Amino acid sequence: GENVEQHPSTLSVQEGDSAVIKCTYSDSASNYFPWYKQELGKRPQLIIDIRSNVGEKKDQRIAVTLNKTAKHFSLHITETQPEDSAVYFCAASLNAYSTLTFGKGTMLLVSP
Amino acid sequence: NAGVMQNPRHLVRRRGQEARLRCSPMKGHSHVYWYRQLPEEGLKFMVYLQKENIIDESGMPKERFSAEFPKEGPSILRIQQVVRGDSAAYFCASSPSGGRFDEQFFGPGTRLTVL
Repeated sequence: GENVEQHPSTLSVQEGDSAVIKCTYSDSASNYFPWYKQELGKRPQLIIDIRSNVGEKKDQRIAVTLNKTAKHFSLHITETQPEDSAVYFCAASLNAYSTLTFGKGTMLLVSP
Repeated sequence: NAGVMQNPRHLVRRRGQEARLRCSPMKGHSHVYWYRQLPEEGLKFMVYLQKENIIDESGMPKERFSAEFPKEGPSILRIQQVVRGDSAAYFCASSPSGGRFDEQFFGPGTRLTVL
C-alpha cells in the first residue's frame, strides 16, 4: 500500500522566516495531496491541497509544490507568525475511495 | 451549519470493557472515515463507510473492532475488550460524496484512555 514519509519531525523558526516541510510518497497512482494543520488538542483542518495535474498552488502565505516524477511534495509557509505554530500533516490519496494516508507530522514552532 | 460532531470527547475505560465512539457527519455528508492517532504519530486510516455499507475496512484490526453507519443516526466505532494499546485519539471525518478529491472534514476527536 501507500507509504508517506514526512520531514522534518520538528521545525523551529523565527517569526518572519520561511518554513518548508517535505513529503515523499511511494505509489505513483496517488494523485491528491492535502495538507492539514492540527493545533494542540484540536481537530486537523485542511489548509491547502494539490492535485497531480498541477505542479504548484499558492494561497496567500502558503504554497505547495508537487513533483510527480520524484514522488515528492512540499509545503512552504512564508512570513511565519506565532499562530502558525502547530503540527502539520501531509497526506496522499491512493484509491478511488479517497481514503488518506498521512505522514507522521511536523511540529512547527514559530518564535516571536 | 454544524461541523462534524463526535462524542464523547473523552472516554475512560478499564481493560476488558467496551468503548463506543459516535460520529455525526456534517449535514448532507453521507461518507464517514475513521482514523486513529497515537501519541506523537500521524493519523492512521481505519475504516470508510457510507450509509449502511462498509466500503473499506482494511485499516481496522480484525478482532475487537467494528464500525457501522446506520440509515438513521450517527456512525459508531465499537471496541470490545479494550486493552491499553487502544489508548489513542479517534477522529472521524466526513465528505459529501466520497470522491477522490472531496475534502474530508474532521471532527474534534474522542480521546480514549484505557486504564
